[in-house]
Amino acid sequence: NAGVTQTPKFRVLKTGQSMTLLCAQDMNHEYMYWYRQDPGMGLRLIHYSVGEGTTAKGEVPDGYNVSRLKKQNFLLGLESAAPSQTSVYFCASTKPGRETQYFGPGTRLLVL
Amino acid sequence: DQQVKQNSPSLSVQEGRISILNCDYTNSMFDYFLWYKKYPAEGPTFLISISSIKDKNEDGRFTVFLNKSAKHLSLHIVPSQPGDSAVYFCAASPRVSQGNLIFGKGTKLSVKP
Repeated sequence: NAGVTQTPKFRVLKTGQSMTLLCAQDMNHEYMYWYRQDPGMGLRLIHYSVGEGTTAKGEVPDGYNVSRLKKQNFLLGLESAAPSQTSVYFCASTKPGRETQYFGPGTRLLVL
Repeated sequence: DQQVKQNSPSLSVQEGRISILNCDYTNSMFDYFLWYKKYPAEGPTFLISISSIKDKNEDGRFTVFLNKSAKHLSLHIVPSQPGDSAVYFCAASPRVSQGNLIFGKGTKLSVKP
């Protein structure tokens, strides 16, 4: 039981490049979330999904897209990376009716 | 405007003493509160939570107190240990939500031997 895993752990991008961050969970959770953490800013919700095939915007969705084609996977895409997207990205999951979210180890992204 | 505020960016305490981390919130629709602990280069891990129908919840060395009238909660760690050194995030969940959590900016706790 791996819990929540994230791929890759670290990535360097040039401005304008695209990439996809992968989140996978093996806990059969319906709800999944993508957050970013910046120094002094706490965790801010980017997008979330309450089930396969559904996604919704969070607090800071601009510049990101997401897809939930399978229940266990939640993908975060950057179509054209910008230096402002340099951050640590965390994925989390939970079950409906449960407030406790389980987090992955994070992906550190540097956009030059 | 921040709905969940942790006004102390850092806190330093001596091993064996009590650590008190504070959190204030502004939204009266919040009805569930959580504390997460985060070590460097790791994801946040759930520590303890409290429902708005309670004013105290205890789990071993960790106790969370909720004062609804003041919209304030606190996390007490007694006794503090060097392994407790981490960033602590307060989070809140509104009554009608899809599991969404609103996080504070975090407080970095340092426990000195």
